[in-house]
Amino acid sequence: DTAVSQTPKYLVTQMGNDKSIKCEQNLGHDTMYWYKQDSKKFLKIMFSYNNKELIINETVPNRFSPKSPDKAHLNLHINSLELGDSAVYFCASSQDHRTNSPLHFGNGTRLTVT
Amino acid sequence: AQSVTQLDSQVPVFEEAPVELRCNYSSSVSVYLFWYVQYPNQGLQLLLKYLSGSTLVKGINGFEAEFNKSQTSFHLRKPSVHISDTAEYFCAVSGGAAGNKLTFGGGTRVLVKP
Repeated sequence: DTAVSQTPKYLVTQMGNDKSIKCEQNLGHDTMYWYKQDSKKFLKIMFSYNNKELIINETVPNRFSPKSPDKAHLNLHINSLELGDSAVYFCASSQDHRTNSPLHFGNGTRLTVT
Repeated sequence: AQSVTQLDSQVPVFEEAPVELRCNYSSSVSVYLFWYVQYPNQGLQLLLKYLSGSTLVKGINGFEAEFNKSQTSFHLRKPSVHISDTAEYFCAVSGGAAGNKLTFGGGTRVLVKP
């Protein structure tokens, strides 16, 4: 009965490859997010979707493309992976983006690009 | 733009001793404040939040925080820590011009020693 689940947990790949990370939430929330945590533990928002609609798109290379087939899912596809993409990627959800409700995080996907 | 500063990157503390983690934010408008905890190899969990009302906020696991508007601070405290409190702690702010976009501080690693 995991609230926010993301797969895979670990992802090791070579430069230039394309990879996807999947995220699902069963909380009935309207808003979902992708955050990137670098090696110094710094967390930065990448994208946010509310009911399948993109509402936040930070300065992220266009090699990163989020897709939300429905409000319970938010996947992240990364093209032409680079060494600097190595990080832990967290999916999160919240009840509503307008009410400043707390975020519920998944356990992260550790991406290593070699 | 909003920003969050966590003044201590690491805080070593003995078991059953008190701990205080400092957090200062910068914002020209009213904000909402959060503390999250990240245990090793896990996602972030909400400890407590300040949205309005009483400036002293109690959270889970015996943690509390005090909102001080004049000092733009939201320090986290626990009177007696356990080994299990060893984790990374993140202060975060949202609201104002940034809406529900959550801006995180750099994190404070708490290491509880027996």
